[in-house]
Amino acid sequence: AAGVIQSPRHLIKEKRETATLKCYPIPRHDTVYWYQQGPGQDPQFLISFYEKMQSDKGSIPDRFSAQQFSDYHSELNMSSLELGDSALYFCASSSPSVGDRGGNEQFFGPGTRLTVL
Amino acid sequence: GQSLEQPSEVTAVEGAIVQINCTYQTSGFYGLSWYQQHDGGAPTFLSYNALDGLEETGRFSSFLSRSDSYGYLLLQELQMKDSASYFCAVRPPGRRALTFGSGTRLQVQP
Repeated sequence: AAGVIQSPRHLIKEKRETATLKCYPIPRHDTVYWYQQGPGQDPQFLISFYEKMQSDKGSIPDRFSAQQFSDYHSELNMSSLELGDSALYFCASSSPSVGDRGGNEQFFGPGTRLTVL
Repeated sequence: GQSLEQPSEVTAVEGAIVQINCTYQTSGFYGLSWYQQHDGGAPTFLSYNALDGLEETGRFSSFLSRSDSYGYLLLQELQMKDSASYFCAVRPPGRRALTFGSGTRLQVQP
């Protein structure tokens, strides 16, 4: 079965540089989510898109932006990188809701490990 | 807002049964989900309780009591591969994103 694809898997950047993370959701899933997970922490929600429109916003810094394209893939753009941005970034997708289970069952990609030096 | 509390660590032996609790304070939610995450891996969906009561999926069961603001994940016949972090999560009304609990690191010993 197809899974969520993220690229790159690992990324090393210097402070103040920019980074772009890509996510390809499972086909026919209508919602894409971005999460940030620091070492030993729980995943923190950043932003989500429903049918290519931003649907929800969490603790995403103003330095970050995201969008979802016509082919449903999504990109997280990160500028003016700081040391504290070093984390695992997960993309997840969910299928059209059947009752309320759809949004509660999210399928996560393998993540992008970003290291800022 | 939402706040979900879990024990930080639990240790058990192979073949045993372990219960991971989740207590929450939330203004409302659609149900309680559980995710498993191995070190360096992605969270993987385990179970979802929309209603009060017990949901069973193989060796894993999950329970929810809205009146007690409490839920738990029960793992039976523990295997070494069950060593991982376990997160409870809720989806607040009107939102599609999950709010995760603090996570419980389960260590299964031989």
